[in-house]
Amino acid sequence: QQPVQSPQAVILREGEDAVINCSSSKALYSVHWYRQKHGEAPVFLMILLKGGEQKGHDKISASFNEKKQQSSLYLTASQLSYSGTYFCGTDFIQGAQKLVFGQGTRLTINP
Amino acid sequence: NAGVTQTPKFQVLKTGQSMTLQCAQDMNHEYMSWYRQDPGMGLRLIHYSVGAGITDQGEVPNGYNVSRSTTEDFPLRLLSAAPSQTSVYFCASSSAGTGVAPQHFGDGTRLSIL
Repeated sequence: QQPVQSPQAVILREGEDAVINCSSSKALYSVHWYRQKHGEAPVFLMILLKGGEQKGHDKISASFNEKKQQSSLYLTASQLSYSGTYFCGTDFIQGAQKLVFGQGTRLTINP
Repeated sequence: NAGVTQTPKFQVLKTGQSMTLQCAQDMNHEYMSWYRQDPGMGLRLIHYSVGAGITDQGEVPNGYNVSRSTTEDFPLRLLSAAPSQTSVYFCASSSAGTGVAPQHFGDGTRLSIL
């Protein structure tokens, strides 16, 4: 049931773009995205519901492809502050909020 | 705004000891969850609660007990600590609201079992 994230790690230079994918073998109700910096708690980025919506948040946006049961997180013109590990959390039942998290994608932004 | 407060922040235990990790939230959230995070891995759900008096198991519940007597508090009990329980433990809360809401995480408890 654990979603699979890809890639596992990515290294960018400041200003470059990145895409992180989160795939599930089970039908999803919602996908949550969080960022965690080393030694800190995960911080909420956005939630997407089934229906294929796309959301944006400054230069970070995400989409949800219900047909593929996949969500993608897009980081454009990356900043140093974007460094961290990104996790997707998947919810299979409406209202359950019982998240199953992927293993994470470590993003390193170099100047 | 305190949000989600976890205590203690660090703890070292000996194998076989028991202890309780405390979690309190002041946002009147209905949902609360406990996760463990092992090095280089994602978060795994231990137990969660949808309201006072209601709890359910997550992915890795063995060796842990929970209860929820109030909306604010959701303590996690380790019955007999084992080295495999060495981990960082996060408590999170969220609003029932529309059924989908962000989870607010505490700062975590770093637990070592010797």
